[in-house]
Amino acid sequence: DGGITQSPKYLFRKEGQNVTLSCEQNLNHDAMYWYRQDPGQGLRLIYYSQIVNDFQKGDIAEGYSVSREKKESFPLTVTSAQKNPTAFYLCASSKDRGRDIQYFGAGTRLSVL
Amino acid sequence: AQKVTQAQTEISVVEKEDVTLDCVYETRDTTYYLFWYKQPPSGELVFLIRRNSFDEQNEISGRYSWNFQKSTSSFNFTITASQVVDSAVYFCALSDTFNFNKFYFGSGTKLNVKP
Repeated sequence: DGGITQSPKYLFRKEGQNVTLSCEQNLNHDAMYWYRQDPGQGLRLIYYSQIVNDFQKGDIAEGYSVSREKKESFPLTVTSAQKNPTAFYLCASSKDRGRDIQYFGAGTRLSVL
Repeated sequence: AQKVTQAQTEISVVEKEDVTLDCVYETRDTTYYLFWYKQPPSGELVFLIRRNSFDEQNEISGRYSWNFQKSTSSFNFTITASQVVDSAVYFCALSDTFNFNKFYFGSGTKLNVKP
């Protein structure tokens, strides 16, 4: 089945540690996105990528990094510079930019030990 | 500036009641798209509908219906004869031509449907 796979479902980070969240899609979509969701709030855009080897910062990129070496993969690294990383992280993809429907993965819940 | 407001933080209804979720948006663009997504307790956002700014026809899909009114900048969502499975957080979102890569999400409305 086509879709977006995020792993792991739950992740724990120690102080000073970088952690990487995986996002893979087999929908042949060009655009991919990372969002952060805090309890009771909407989604905030961290990074997005329109095409392989290109990505742009969203509204809250500080403390995060991404890569887009393959069309189907868009991993997100939460660095030690992100002081408040506890949140629910959602990856999405769309065939094209903006106006197209974004399809979401099941999310990764990150907590700090 | 672009903005989506969902003023209802949480709504509780009893099964079989009708319920309307409000969405008010702001944009200076004349070409834009509006979306509704459902987030069940599992966490994944599920796409429900997309509307473009030139199509003001109301849409009905089973128990779901949407009322788009440009005059009031609203895109409201009604569930008829609600069911327990409708319990979720519902998000409204806006995308316009100023920045094609960005969805502006509202803060969501949590719907609780009690048996």
